[in-house]
Amino acid sequence: EAQVTQNPRYLITVTGKKLTVTCSQNMNHEYMSWYRQDPGLGLRQIYYSMNVEVTDKGDVPEGYKVSRKEKRNFPLILESPSPNQTSLYFCASSPGVAGTDTQYFGPGTRLTVL
Amino acid sequence: GENVEQHPSTLSVQEGDSAVIKCTYSDSASNYFPWYKQELGKRPQLIIDIRSNVGEKKDQRIAVTLNKTAKHFSLHITETQPEDSAVYFCAAKDSNYQLIWGAGTKLIIKP
Repeated sequence: EAQVTQNPRYLITVTGKKLTVTCSQNMNHEYMSWYRQDPGLGLRQIYYSMNVEVTDKGDVPEGYKVSRKEKRNFPLILESPSPNQTSLYFCASSPGVAGTDTQYFGPGTRLTVL
Repeated sequence: GENVEQHPSTLSVQEGDSAVIKCTYSDSASNYFPWYKQELGKRPQLIIDIRSNVGEKKDQRIAVTLNKTAKHFSLHITETQPEDSAVYFCAAKDSNYQLIWGAGTKLIIKP
């Protein structure tokens, strides 16, 4: 089944404890992206990648890192999480090199930083 | 850079009536405008999109209209049904080929 998967789906952690949220797609998509969703603010892009080894900052990249070593995987790394990073995170992928084709979203990861 | 504003933030309509959600954008060079639907607890999914070379696109009960001169586009849902209840997001492509998203509209269908 064609899909985007994220793990974990739920995570409660404490300030400063490094964490990684994994994202994987099996559709051979060029483009991948990370968003955070907060009430009243919609979807805000954190980082995106148009191809392997190519990553760019989105609108809210502070406090996050990403890597794209393989086409299918695009992990999101929080080196030192803070409470303002409590949010719902979505990974998405798209067939084209830009984000203007249909974006397929993962199921989301709800992160709470205490 | 591109800025997208979406209104209203909440819309409540009677089942069977029509619903209209409006978005405005700032970058006149934008040429791709998708709409995504997010049901409660689910992921966003594309429901319809429009490119700037057309003014209207329909798919059954859903339609999107685009006014390039005024820089706004709208989602129209006719004969609303309970399963239309969701949060709807508009977006516009910016000069870096990234999507800039509206803040979302919560659509409530009253029985």
